[in-house]
Amino acid sequence: QVQLVESGGGVVQPGGSLRLSCATSGFTLSRYGMHWLRQAPGKGLEWVAFLTNDGDGSHTNYSDSVNGRFTISRDTSKNTLCLQMNSLRFEDTAVYSCARDGSGYAIDHWGQGTLVTVSS
Amino acid sequence: QSALTQPPSVSGSPGQSVTISCTGSSSDVGSNNRVSWYQQPPGTAPKLLIYEVSNRPSGVPDRFSGSKSGNTASLTISGLQGEDEADYYCSSKTGGNSLFVFGTGTKVTVL
Repeated sequence: QVQLVESGGGVVQPGGSLRLSCATSGFTLSRYGMHWLRQAPGKGLEWVAFLTNDGDGSHTNYSDSVNGRFTISRDTSKNTLCLQMNSLRFEDTAVYSCARDGSGYAIDHWGQGTLVTVSS
Repeated sequence: QSALTQPPSVSGSPGQSVTISCTGSSSDVGSNNRVSWYQQPPGTAPKLLIYEVSNRPSGVPDRFSGSKSGNTASLTISGLQGEDEADYYCSSKTGGNSLFVFGTGTKVTVL
C-alpha cells in the first residue's frame, strides 16, 4: 500500500536551514505530482509546494509565503521527496507533511508529518 | 493567495444534514472544477472525501456530497453520525504562481 514517511524535522534558529525528506513506497514516485503541506499548532492546513510528475517535465510551484526560500525536489532512485528550507522564520513553525496528488489536484495520500520549530 | 473562506464551525444532531460552504473567487473556485474536500479527525492525517467538485473516491459513503455554484463550493453531510466529528477543509487549484489553496477549515460537531 501507499506509504509516506517524513523525517528531518527539529528545532532551528531564525535564519537557519533544514532539509526534510519523505520516504515513499507502494507507488512509482515519478508518475505522480507531490505536495508539501504544513499545519501550524492549532491552525489549519496550508499548502507549501508542488512538484509535477515527470511526464509534465517536473515543474515546481510554491506558495507566496515560501517562494524563494524553499525548494521541493525528488530523487526517484531513492523514492524520496525532499524540501530544502532556507531563511527560516518564526512563522514557519508547523508540522510538515508530504502528500501525493492522485489526479486533478486532489490529494489522496498523506504522511503523518514532521515537526519543524523555529525558535531562538 | 488568500485562504478560501469556510465557517469556523457547524453542528447538527445525529441523522440531520449539515452543509459547509467554501467561498473563493473567480481566480480559484470559480475558475475550475479542481475543488476537493478533506476530513481530518483530531490527531490524524486528512482524508480525501470529494474531488473535482462532486466525485467520491471509493470507500467514501454517499452521505458525503459536493457541489459548486459560482465562486462557492459546498459539502453536505447527510444522515450525520458521531464519527463525522472532525475538521473539514476544502481546496482548489488557483491561477497565478501559487497553484493550490486550502480553506480555513470547519469544525463539525455532532450534538
